[in-house]
Amino acid sequence: EDQVTQSPEALRLQEGESSSLNCSYTVSGLRGLFWYRQDPGKGPEFLFTLYSAGEEKEKERLKATLTKKESFLHITAPKPEDSATYLCAVRISGTYKYIFGTGTRLKVLA
Amino acid sequence: KAGVTQTPRYLIKTRGQQVTLSCSPISGHRSVSWYQQTPGQGLQFLFEYFSETQRNKGNFPGRFSGRQFSNSRSEMNVSTLELGDSALYLCASSAGLAGGNTGELFFGEGSRLTVL
Repeated sequence: EDQVTQSPEALRLQEGESSSLNCSYTVSGLRGLFWYRQDPGKGPEFLFTLYSAGEEKEKERLKATLTKKESFLHITAPKPEDSATYLCAVRISGTYKYIFGTGTRLKVLA
Repeated sequence: KAGVTQTPRYLIKTRGQQVTLSCSPISGHRSVSWYQQTPGQGLQFLFEYFSETQRNKGNFPGRFSGRQFSNSRSEMNVSTLELGDSALYLCASSAGLAGGNTGELFFGEGSRLTVL
């Protein structure tokens, strides 16, 4: 069964304290791994797409990496405005279906 | 460029009623998909439409249905509402994978349904 698991469920960081979020997946075929940010009361906002093991993408304080079994979202020197729920999703090969993890709720304290 | 627009944003219904939610995708996007988001289950895929055709369907009962119009706007309908249908319903549009696009989804802000 296709599955996406994110850890930890929740994470509290002090401002400037770097950390990583994990997204592990078991799918029949991967056609892209996607990271999204979701603020309370809003829809998810696209951050990154990764397609191949070894691929990396960066945006401001965020860096996403991909291996054959998992992806990491590294947050360097986070700020309070980085507080949000971070979701990862995989697109299943041969379909137009995306499977989402349940997210990591990140809280960055000033 | 206008984003994905969903209406209504909030609605309250009682058990047994039905509800219709609407979604206008980003201009030029022909793929529209729907997701149900609940605290315990996260985002669950409902269905995806492209050029008025349903290409994929998730594991939801037949009470959940949808359609897409020729202008790419989409609606989803839930009949005979149950308490467990209370959720945030998210619509996402995509430019697909053609022409160098990478398949990312662009979400609306959702329609929050409460069933009493």
